[in-house]
Amino acid sequence: GNSVTQMEGPVTLSEEAFLTINCTYTATGYPSLFWYVQYPGEGLQLLLKATKADDKGSNKGFEATYRKETTSFHLEKGSVQVSDSAVYFCALSLSGGYNKLIFGAGTRLAVHP
Amino acid sequence: DAGVIQSPRHEVTEMGQEVTLRCKPISGHNSLFWYRQTMMRGLELLIYFNNNVPIDDSGMPEDRFSAKMPNASFSTLKIQPSEPRDSAVYFCATEGDTGELFFGEGSRLTVL
Repeated sequence: GNSVTQMEGPVTLSEEAFLTINCTYTATGYPSLFWYVQYPGEGLQLLLKATKADDKGSNKGFEATYRKETTSFHLEKGSVQVSDSAVYFCALSLSGGYNKLIFGAGTRLAVHP
Repeated sequence: DAGVIQSPRHEVTEMGQEVTLRCKPISGHNSLFWYRQTMMRGLELLIYFNNNVPIDDSGMPEDRFSAKMPNASFSTLKIQPSEPRDSAVYFCATEGDTGELFFGEGSRLTVL
């Protein structure tokens, strides 16, 4: 079946540290891949996406590269800020049919000053 | 645009009571999704509407759950009767032209 696996949290970092949140997927077709972010008390927001192999999505200093050979879409940021504290969700969507997102379990990030 | 608007933001009710959650989608968005979020199961898709028609309700847990979209600007998710295991945050989301999902702020339901 189709699924997304994320590294377990919480991830606790100091401000300006380097961030990596691992995400791997299993899919029967050629999925599009997404990272969504959920700030406390809010709904999810799209952070970045990639629609085909070797694409790199980027936004707000975050990056993720679609790696078909390793079925991965790891999220990275070079220097995190306190305001990045949130829960990050990796997700996939298969082509054809409707945009049915399959989410990972989410990884909570806490950044301390 | 005000985004996806959900109500109520918080609801506490007793087991056996009927619960109705409401969603106002972003104007012009033709696809609407209801998700449930719990610590144990994460984010689960409950039902998907396109042009007000339910397309995929395979995620609806059981007959106690029902969803309607009587017009393009309103959708409801109803639980009758509610049970403690229904306690969760319920999100409504709509899809824009680029395929991005826009989520509401969620309705946090507690069933005692």
